[in-house]
Amino acid sequence: IAGITQAPTSQILAAGRRMTLRCTQDMRHNAMYWYRQDLGLGLRLIHYSNTAGTTGKGEVPDGYSVSRANTDDFPLTLASAVPSQTSVYFCASSDSAGGPNTEAFFGQGTRLTVV
Amino acid sequence: AQKVTQAQTEISVVEKEDVTLDCVYETRDTTYYLFWYKQPPSGELVFLIRRNSFDEQNEISGRYSWNFQKSTSSFNFTITASQVVDSAVYFCALGGLLTGGGNKLTFGTGTQLKVEL
Repeated sequence: IAGITQAPTSQILAAGRRMTLRCTQDMRHNAMYWYRQDLGLGLRLIHYSNTAGTTGKGEVPDGYSVSRANTDDFPLTLASAVPSQTSVYFCASSDSAGGPNTEAFFGQGTRLTVV
Repeated sequence: AQKVTQAQTEISVVEKEDVTLDCVYETRDTTYYLFWYKQPPSGELVFLIRRNSFDEQNEISGRYSWNFQKSTSSFNFTITASQVVDSAVYFCALGGLLTGGGNKLTFGTGTQLKVEL
């Protein structure tokens, strides 16, 4: 089934630990995104990538890093997790060739708890 | 800067009632796109509709309808004859361009809709 796959589905992580959230898409979309969802704040953009080999910062990039070695994969790394990074993380992709009217497709989310 | 406001945090209705979810946006762009997404209890985000700033025609899809009014910067979503399966969090989002391409979505804080029997 075409779409976006995130792993893990959920994780409890000790503060100070390093963690990589994985995201893979099979739609050959150029653009990929990481959002975090927090109650009362909606979804906020962490990092994005317009195409393989390029990345950019979103609204809330601090404490996170990303890489885009190929079209399909867009991992998000927390170098040293802190409790404020407890959130639900969504990976998304869109066909950037379609312009800003193109909808984004979302993964099922990763629920991360930092203790 | 772009901003989306969904003032209704939570709405509860009885099944078969009509319900309208409000969305007000701010943008300096002359061309922009608006979206609605649904997040059911299972957690995934489901795309419902997009509308560009040049098209103010209302749209109806089954029990769903959308009212876009540029004069008031609003893009409201109405569910007619609501059903329990409509219970979800609904997000309004404003699309804008990222540097070099790609579409950044600015989301509202969401409206939790509860439809009860």
